[in-house]
Amino acid sequence: GENVGLHLPTLSVQEGDNSIINCAYSNSASDYFIWYKQESGKGPQFIIDIRSNMDKRQGQRVTVLLNKTVKHLSLQIAATQPGDSAVYFCAENPPGNQFYFGTGTSLTVIP
Amino acid sequence: DSGVTQTPKHLITATGQRVTLRCSPRSGDLSVYWYQQSLDQGLQFLIQYYNGEERAKGNILERFSAQQFPDLHSELNLSSLELGDSALYFCASSVAQGLDSPLHFGNGTRLTVT
Repeated sequence: GENVGLHLPTLSVQEGDNSIINCAYSNSASDYFIWYKQESGKGPQFIIDIRSNMDKRQGQRVTVLLNKTVKHLSLQIAATQPGDSAVYFCAENPPGNQFYFGTGTSLTVIP
Repeated sequence: DSGVTQTPKHLITATGQRVTLRCSPRSGDLSVYWYQQSLDQGLQFLIQYYNGEERAKGNILERFSAQQFPDLHSELNLSSLELGDSALYFCASSVAQGLDSPLHFGNGTRLTVT
């Protein structure tokens, strides 16, 4: 879960298709998870969050799925648009005093 | 717009110098966090303040210090700057003291040390 050297996984999708971005979290005691979007030159932008008592949560065009058995989180973006191109990363709250952020996935939307 | 304001957006300074980065949290948020993001690393937690008091420390160097003022704005002071301190510095705010509500990030200060 700690940040490591950045060689980001990449995902390219056609405009209008659905995107699925995955995140493996590290600590089974984490009970709160957040997805962020970071565009070039900007700060991370909150997308959606989910608590461990839920398996699924939906927002506007986005859905987060949580599988606690395998410590896996996914972000689904429906009808992906060029403006969705960015780096997406997840955050978890293991016991302690800080969130841990994933290294991220770079999403490119092809018009 | 997250509601978190950071100034300045860019800062270029020389090694050995001292700089101050400023952050205004979202209205109503009592927690302020500082993070460093460099090219070869993700977000590195530096320090958290809650309602004026230091609450948690991460990988913050002794040359760095921070404080949160009564009006809840925060400043991060970086001294004896080294080339390796060049990075993006983000401030984030949260309504809660603990790690059970989202952090809302500003757009950062890009520090370049020459």
